[in-house]
Amino acid sequence: GQNIDQPTEMTATEGAIVQINCTYQTSGFNGLFWYQQHAGEAPTFLSYNVLDGLEEKGRFSSFLSRSKGYSYLLLKELQMKDSASYLCAVVDSNYQLIWGAGTKLIIKP
Amino acid sequence: EPEVTQTPSHQVTQMGQEVILRCVPISNHLYFYWYRQILGQKVEFLVSFYNNEISEKSEIFDDQFSVERPDGSNFTLKIRSTKLEDSAMYFCASSMAGDNTGELFFGEGSRLTVL
Repeated sequence: GQNIDQPTEMTATEGAIVQINCTYQTSGFNGLFWYQQHAGEAPTFLSYNVLDGLEEKGRFSSFLSRSKGYSYLLLKELQMKDSASYLCAVVDSNYQLIWGAGTKLIIKP
Repeated sequence: EPEVTQTPSHQVTQMGQEVILRCVPISNHLYFYWYRQILGQKVEFLVSFYNNEISEKSEIFDDQFSVERPDGSNFTLKIRSTKLEDSAMYFCASSMAGDNTGELFFGEGSRLTVL
């Protein structure tokens, strides 16, 4: 079956750095998304990786290793507004989008 | 900035009643989607729509569900006879890309509560 694993919950301190991991076992791979979802709101796009390596976008970076079936989202200089769920989603060989359950990130002052 | 809009934001209905959720996708997008998210659970794909017809649907999208694009702007999800387990947040999304490799733009969601 297809599976995406993310930690259920993480806690970090304002101003710090946090890395949210995502591992996947899917039938093929055509890209990986990270979305941010604040409680009670819609997911919003953060990043899309299709090639190996690190992509940086401001305070957020996303890394992909296709050989390891692994990605991480790195958040720097954490702010209270970064408290949200972070959803990993993989496009499989049939171009179906497979969603992870999300990681709830709690930021403490 | 263009956005996807959804109405109603919250609907409470009795089991067995019909519900229609409405969405206005971003105007130059060609691919439209409905997702649902039961409270505390993962986002689940329901259906994708392109060129006035369903392109993909999940196992969840059974005969009780239907979608329609009645005019050039609206995209609707109808649930014919609601069940308690249909209680969820329903998100409409639109995209420029049809193969799920493009960014999805989500609406703010319609929270459906079935009593």
